[in-house]
Amino acid sequence: GEDVEQSLFLSVREGDSSVINCTYTDSSSTYLYWYKQEPGAGLQLLTYIFSNMDMKQDQRLTVLLNKKDKHLSLRIADTQTGDSAIYFCAESAGNNAGNMLTFGGGTRLMVKP
Amino acid sequence: DAGITQSPRYKITETGRQVTLMCHQTWSHSYMFWYRQDLGHGLRLIYYSAAADITDKGEVPDGYVVSRSKTENFPLTLESATRSQTSVYFCASSRGTGSEGYTFGSGTRLTVV
Repeated sequence: GEDVEQSLFLSVREGDSSVINCTYTDSSSTYLYWYKQEPGAGLQLLTYIFSNMDMKQDQRLTVLLNKKDKHLSLRIADTQTGDSAIYFCAESAGNNAGNMLTFGGGTRLMVKP
Repeated sequence: DAGITQSPRYKITETGRQVTLMCHQTWSHSYMFWYRQDLGHGLRLIYYSAAADITDKGEVPDGYVVSRSKTENFPLTLESATRSQTSVYFCASSRGTGSEGYTFGSGTRLTVV
């Protein structure tokens, strides 16, 4: 079955880079996503990557996809205290009607000043 | 206002009472979802709906009822609330295709005493 795994916690210093990792099991995933959840709020879509891409960059965010290892990562450059949040990765299975997503358990990023 | 709105934002209810959480979206998205979020469990899918009058169970449906008489509304009812249903509930919607993923509401924090 589908399964998406993330580490629970990451702590970095302000100004450093953060790398949040995710592994998934469904090799037919068409899109993979990163969501951000700030305290007391819902999940917001940060970025996504299509499965035929290896990398996507969007300002301070870089997404890397290794399809062979089924590994997805999110790099945040020059991490700021406002980046402190829970980050969820999610995959959509390719043969799945309705583009249903499977979410990881979330990684809590703490940014220390 | 365009978007997805949940109400109420906070709710305290007593064990055994029926309570309904509301979700309304203005995009005419086909798909709608209810999740609960608890520490240590990440997001768990309760119910989802592919269209009006079509609903299906998710991972943790017991004790919950949904309906979808109109595309834009997807209420979640706890028939007889239990303390184990104390949680934060998120509604989400999706077109079901493409790269947009899900759009989440801001959540309802429910406490059952």
